[in-house]
Amino acid sequence: GQNIDQPTEMTATEGAIVQINCTYQTSGFNGLFWYQQHAGEAPTFLSYNVLDGLEEKGRFSSFLSRSKGYSYLLLKELQMKDSASYLCAVKNSGAGSYQLTFGKGTKLSVIP
Amino acid sequence: DTGVSQDPRHKITKRGQNVTFRCDPISEHNRLYWYRQTLGQGPEFLTYFQNEAQLEKSRLLSDRFSAERPKGSFSTLEIQRTEQGDSAMYLCASSLGQGASSTDTQYFGPGTRLTVL
Repeated sequence: GQNIDQPTEMTATEGAIVQINCTYQTSGFNGLFWYQQHAGEAPTFLSYNVLDGLEEKGRFSSFLSRSKGYSYLLLKELQMKDSASYLCAVKNSGAGSYQLTFGKGTKLSVIP
Repeated sequence: DTGVSQDPRHKITKRGQNVTFRCDPISEHNRLYWYRQTLGQGPEFLTYFQNEAQLEKSRLLSDRFSAERPKGSFSTLEIQRTEQGDSAMYLCASSLGQGASSTDTQYFGPGTRLTVL
């Protein structure tokens, strides 16, 4: 089975840096995705990691450690529009390899 | 370049009625997925198509649910004899699949919010 854990809520200040952690336990692993979801809207793709290390994309970076079953999303220079839920999702390997298994999401509130 | 579209965006129905939702994927994408999301939860996988073939179904997809993708383009999700527990956001996603080892990023539509009274 799959188990994906991420904090339920976080609060950070505009202009600051925030790190959102995700831990996972899976029977097979073929990549980890981060999505952003504003209230009432569809998830929007942010990043993908399949190898260990850091992937940087503008203000957003994502890190993966496969041996530890751990990822984080780092948001720099926070803006008010970054207030949203951030979803960690794991892609399986083998049978059922095309579906994503999502965590419950971390609701980030950016305050002035 | 248009993204994934879904219709309707909102649907209110009475318990016991049948409902049908439509999803139009990104035009060149061969893979299409349906997910269900309830408040405070992440999306849960329901089913997956590669072209017109339905290759994966979650055990969440009871026999009241049926999905089709008849020509490998748009897809429909039908729920028969709706129950209050079916109230949720139904999300469709598509991807350009190039084998199980590819990145295969899924792009989501805006969803259909179903309320069963």
